[in-house]
Amino acid sequence: SAVISQKPSRDICQRGTSLTIQCQVDSQVTMMFWYRQQPGQSLTLIATANQGSEATYESGFVIDKFPISRPNLTFSTLTVSNMSPEDSSIYLCSATQGTSTNEKLFFGSGTQLSVL
Amino acid sequence: ILNVEQSPQSLHVQEGDSTNFTCSFPSSNFYALHWYRWETAKSPEALFVMTLNGDEKKKGRISATLNTKEGYSYLYIKGSQPEDSATYLCASGNAGGTSYGKLTFGQGTILTVHP
Repeated sequence: SAVISQKPSRDICQRGTSLTIQCQVDSQVTMMFWYRQQPGQSLTLIATANQGSEATYESGFVIDKFPISRPNLTFSTLTVSNMSPEDSSIYLCSATQGTSTNEKLFFGSGTQLSVL
Repeated sequence: ILNVEQSPQSLHVQEGDSTNFTCSFPSSNFYALHWYRWETAKSPEALFVMTLNGDEKKKGRISATLNTKEGYSYLYIKGSQPEDSATYLCASGNAGGTSYGKLTFGQGTILTVHP
């Protein structure tokens, strides 16, 4: 199984600033994803982090607001840009290992972001 | 059903009680149904991944059933313990997604077990 180290675990930021969240996996994974959970809402997929190429964003999420990098198979970052209080959420990275018949999904421990 | 819906939103039970939660999901293009247990500041812990209609899975005191034709799953906890207190999430993956990682989550059921 894979272990995902996500940091920071929490942060309090001023509006207009940016925060970069990092996820490091202890073994090679197939795919990496970024999710967001706003207060009282469901975990929502932001994007798929593609290794060596631009991320694939879900409807309602754009690269300018949430730039994502994945320079290799085990590391990815999500930046929350030009933050506003509406960006206060838990951000969670996840990764899959294995093939379609035995694929497993793992999560980081999340980043609790508060924007003042 | 267009989204994944869970009920109840929260639940308080006494130690030793048995309890269950419901997850409703779109039955069209179904691929897999996941249950997770999520404690604050920890990684969501995978409980079950279910793909077959009628499937039943068990892990200790926790079990789950799946009905893909009508689009629902039940999670049961027998003899709840305080350490079972957590948010229980279900998530659906649709055919065409081809990956367990691209999921649609419900809002979760917050379980509190009182000693």
